[in-house]
Formats: sequence, structure tokens, C-alpha cells
Amino acid sequence: GAVVSQHPSWVICKSGTSVKIECRSLDFQATTMFWYRQFPKQSLMLMATSNEGSKATYEQGVEKDKFLINHASLTLSTLTVTSAHPEDSSFYICSARSVIYNEQFFGPGTRLTVL
Amino acid sequence: AQKVTQAQTEISVVEKEDVTLDCVYETRDTTYYLFWYKQPPSGELVFLIRRNSFDEQNEISGRYSWNFQKSTSSFNFTITASQVVDSAVYFCALIFTGTASKLTFGTGTRLQVTL
Repeated sequence: GAVVSQHPSWVICKSGTSVKIECRSLDFQATTMFWYRQFPKQSLMLMATSNEGSKATYEQGVEKDKFLINHASLTLSTLTVTSAHPEDSSFYICSARSVIYNEQFFGPGTRLTVL
Repeated sequence: AQKVTQAQTEISVVEKEDVTLDCVYETRDTTYYLFWYKQPPSGELVFLIRRNSFDEQNEISGRYSWNFQKSTSSFNFTITASQVVDSAVYFCALIFTGTASKLTFGTGTRLQVTL
């Protein structure tokens, strides 16, 4: 149990386009989901905390208008990178917090490359 | 300040050697949770262990063992008889109370195990 999926697993897009990444908890309900960004050879940096039915809370320095987060259901959160630029190329990882297990479970990540 | 430090950036060992990955943290909280994750080249985070700050018992799981020393704020991870499949980046992380379950990651230690 406690599986989190992400889609797509990788995406290549042109500069200026928008990309949507989905994070799903497959067998549990997640009132809270977290979005992380990881640049090559660096650690995971928390971008935002997403609570079901409410606005996301962004970490300092993360542009909320650029990284749109929607958490419309207890099993799905989406991250949309708007007007992507090459510097947005990164590995994006989500995690979902299970209320029952009081644990965070990580998705497999999405590798975004912006040309 | 709340911080996780993994001073070892990269470690290279020969198969069958034992290796210890260091993790030191800073917090003023008395209640917190400690984690270790493995990130193989595929990128997906693999959960290894979680401990709470009140449980200082060391733990062994197969070739893995963890040493939690609250007095020195350290939570070190030892792999005995390392194998090539252990090659990965290992992250130490903490959840501090009052941070809404937000994980703070260390910078990671890249372990390379060679034949």
C-alpha cells in the first residue's frame, strides 16, 4: 500500500509553454501533498505545501504565479509550470501525507527539460 | 536554526567494505522525526528508516544499521559489507514540530561502491 504516482515521468517542452505534472495517491487519501524540486547533484528543496481544498503554501523564493498548484481532491494534486524556461529544467518530486499512517510517501519524480 | 548537515559529499568504497554516512542536525525542538532515504540513479526516493526523537535505540535491518545519538545530535547510517547495488545518493532528513510535516533534507552523500 501507500503508493504515489506521478505523471508524466519525463517531459521535454519548448520555452514559453506550460507543463502540468500530476501527483496521485493510489491507495490512500492525502489531505496534504508536498512538491519538491531537485537540481542535478543537489538536495530536494521544498517548493510548496498543498492542502486539499485550499490554496497552496509556497516556500520563500518560489513564485506562486509561475508554479500553480491545485489540490482538488484527496488523491490528486497538480503542479503547472507556466511559461517554462530552461532554468526550470529540474526533477520535480511530490509526496503525499497519509493521515492514517502519519507518513509521507514519495512519487517517482518527473524530469522536466525545457529547451 | 533548524538544519541538517551531511558533511560527506561523496564516498567511494570497494565492495564488501563497511561505510558510515554521517548526519548531524540542529534544532531547539524536543520532538522531531529523523529519516534516511536512498535515491538511486533512477531518481525515486526509497524510504529506509524513521525514528522519533524519544527513541534512541539503535536499529539494525539486514546490512543497514543506524546510530542515533541525541547528545551529539547525530543520526549516522552504516552499511556493512557494501554492495554495488548500494551505490546511490543517501539523504538524511528531519521533520521538526511546528513545521506541518515539512521535511528538511540534508545535502546528501553520494556513495559509490566499486568491485
